[in-house]
Amino acid sequence: NAGVTQTPKFQVLKTGQSMTLQCAQDMNHEYMSWYRQDPGMGLRLIHYSVGAGITDQGEVPNGYNVSRSTTEDFPLRLLSAAPSQTSVYFCASSRFATAYEQYFGPGTRLTVT
Amino acid sequence: QQQVKQSPQSLIVQKGGISIINCAYENTAFDYFPWYQQFPGKGPALLIAIRPDVSEKKEGRFTISFNKSAKQFSLHIMDSQPGDSATYFCAATITGSARQLTFGSGTQLTVLP
Repeated sequence: NAGVTQTPKFQVLKTGQSMTLQCAQDMNHEYMSWYRQDPGMGLRLIHYSVGAGITDQGEVPNGYNVSRSTTEDFPLRLLSAAPSQTSVYFCASSRFATAYEQYFGPGTRLTVT
Repeated sequence: QQQVKQSPQSLIVQKGGISIINCAYENTAFDYFPWYQQFPGKGPALLIAIRPDVSEKKEGRFTISFNKSAKQFSLHIMDSQPGDSATYFCAATITGSARQLTFGSGTQLTVLP
């Protein structure tokens, strides 16, 4: 049981490049979410999904796209990277009934130059 | 709008001392208040949580105190140990809805040996 996995662990992009951050969970959780963590800002929700085919925006969705074609996978796409997207990105999952208990992945540290 | 305010931003405590982290919330619809612990290079993990119908919850050396009228809650770490050195996030959510967690800005705790 791997829990929540994220790839890559580190990534450097140039401004304007696009990329996809991968997230997978093997706990059959309905909820999946993406957060970004910045110093002094805590964890801010980017997008979330309550099940396959259903996604919604969080607090800071601009510049990011998501899709959820399966229960297990929830990739985050950066369409045109900007320096303001330099951050640590965490994917999380949980059961719908216990959404307060989120299981986080190890994170992806992204630098945009 | 920051719905959960956390203080202090950083805290240094001697081994064996008491660490206290405070949070205040604005949304009276919040009905579940978890605390997450994050070690360097790792994702956050659920530490302890409380509902507003109780004023205190204790798990080992960790205690949450809750003041519903003041809309405040706090984490107390008794007999703090160097292994407790981590970043702590308070959070709030509305259970039974599609709402996700709203996190505080985090407190970096250092316990000196």
